[in-house]
Amino acid sequence: DARVTQTPRHKVTEMGQEVTMRCQPILGHNTVFWYRQTMMQGLELLAYFRNRAPLDDSGMPKDRFSAEMPDATLATLKIQPSEPRDSAVYFCASGLVPDGRSKGYEQYFGPGTRLTVT
Amino acid sequence: AQKVTQAQTEISVVEKEDVTLDCVYETRDTTYYLFWYKQPPSGELVFLIRRNSFDEQNEISGRYSWNFQKSTSSFNFTITASQVVDSAVYFCALSQEQAGTALIFGKGTTLSVSS
Repeated sequence: DARVTQTPRHKVTEMGQEVTMRCQPILGHNTVFWYRQTMMQGLELLAYFRNRAPLDDSGMPKDRFSAEMPDATLATLKIQPSEPRDSAVYFCASGLVPDGRSKGYEQYFGPGTRLTVT
Repeated sequence: AQKVTQAQTEISVVEKEDVTLDCVYETRDTTYYLFWYKQPPSGELVFLIRRNSFDEQNEISGRYSWNFQKSTSSFNFTITASQVVDSAVYFCALSQEQAGTALIFGKGTTLSVSS
């Protein structure tokens, strides 16, 4: 049963600390997304990758957030320095886009990382 | 602009009642895709269905059914004979034809089913 995995599941940190969240997409999927869920904003896109190349990171505060895919099995989201307003659940999702066209593919979500910044 | 509206914030029903969750979307694209996801109390997001804009056939899967109407830009979700396990937050989402576009989510509807 293929699943997206995320670590850690929970993270509590102090303001100013660096936070790194990791995601392992479903094997064979070529598109990886990072979403953030808060009560106020709901689910919003932060960034996404196709074949490990960043396609859109317009939803991310660039001064403190960075997203990378060191290889096809690992995506990372870093926050440095973290702030209390970054407290949220961060979801990673992956999907398979056939032949480079969207065709409305499903995205499968990981369990999320619940981040609390004090 | 692309937008998904789920006007119902919370719905409470008693087991075995039927319940319909509304979803209205806005997009300028002629080709787009609509989705429903379920988020149970455990927190994960579970994919339920994808519907293409060029296929207006309704779909039924067990107790779940979906009614897609382009004329009213709606993609409503009905649960027949609801069960306690259906209690969750349900999200409607939209994506567009362009390769690689992400999901635009509605704010979600919290469904509570009591026994």
